[in-house]
Amino acid sequence: QVQLVESGGGVVQPGTSLKLSCAASGFSFSGYAMDWVRQAPGKGLDWVALISYDGSDVYYADSVKGRFTISRDNSKNTLYLQMNSLRSDDTAVYYCAKTTATTTSFDHWGQGTLVTVSS
Amino acid sequence: EIVMTQSPATLSVSPGERVTLSCRASESLNSHLAWYQQKPGQAPRLLINDASTGATGIPARFSGSGFGTEFTLTISSVQSEDSAVYYCQQYNHRPLTFGQGTKVEIK
Repeated sequence: QVQLVESGGGVVQPGTSLKLSCAASGFSFSGYAMDWVRQAPGKGLDWVALISYDGSDVYYADSVKGRFTISRDNSKNTLYLQMNSLRSDDTAVYYCAKTTATTTSFDHWGQGTLVTVSS
Repeated sequence: EIVMTQSPATLSVSPGERVTLSCRASESLNSHLAWYQQKPGQAPRLLINDASTGATGIPARFSGSGFGTEFTLTISSVQSEDSAVYYCQQYNHRPLTFGQGTKVEIK
């Protein structure tokens, strides 16, 4: 079955960097666009970034553009999110999510990894 | 950016009741709308996409309808396990955006 396992979260200081990973299994990873979606504590869902199946197209929320970079390694079935210049309002659970075959809705989600930005 | 507005914010219902959740978009989405269920401490689960297509394994009591800017998620006979927050999401325009959620509480 489809599994998405995020890692790399933790507590970091403002202005520093962190790289999240999402290991995928149970489906043809290279055939699907993938996204990162975050959720601040007690808040709603907030889309962060999208990468096409082959990595040729990427899109970002304005709030992270220029600071975050989404990438993928299809040979390793792994999705990444490089987060630079972190701010306190980036504190959230970060989920990787698989798109469906025909839509940009998300039929599978990881369990999430918590990123806390605090001095 | 398309703004998604859900109503009501909270709903308290008894088991067996019919529940209707609303989602309104600031611009037309055609049918490019999804609904998710999220329980505490869990990741969201896809219920409906393309406004009315049930996702795999979703109980038949969940249904979606609507087109353009007005959408509805209906639970025909709510069960205790349906206690959760429900989000709508549009994917007709980038950036993708979510509603703020409707919390469904079971009495």
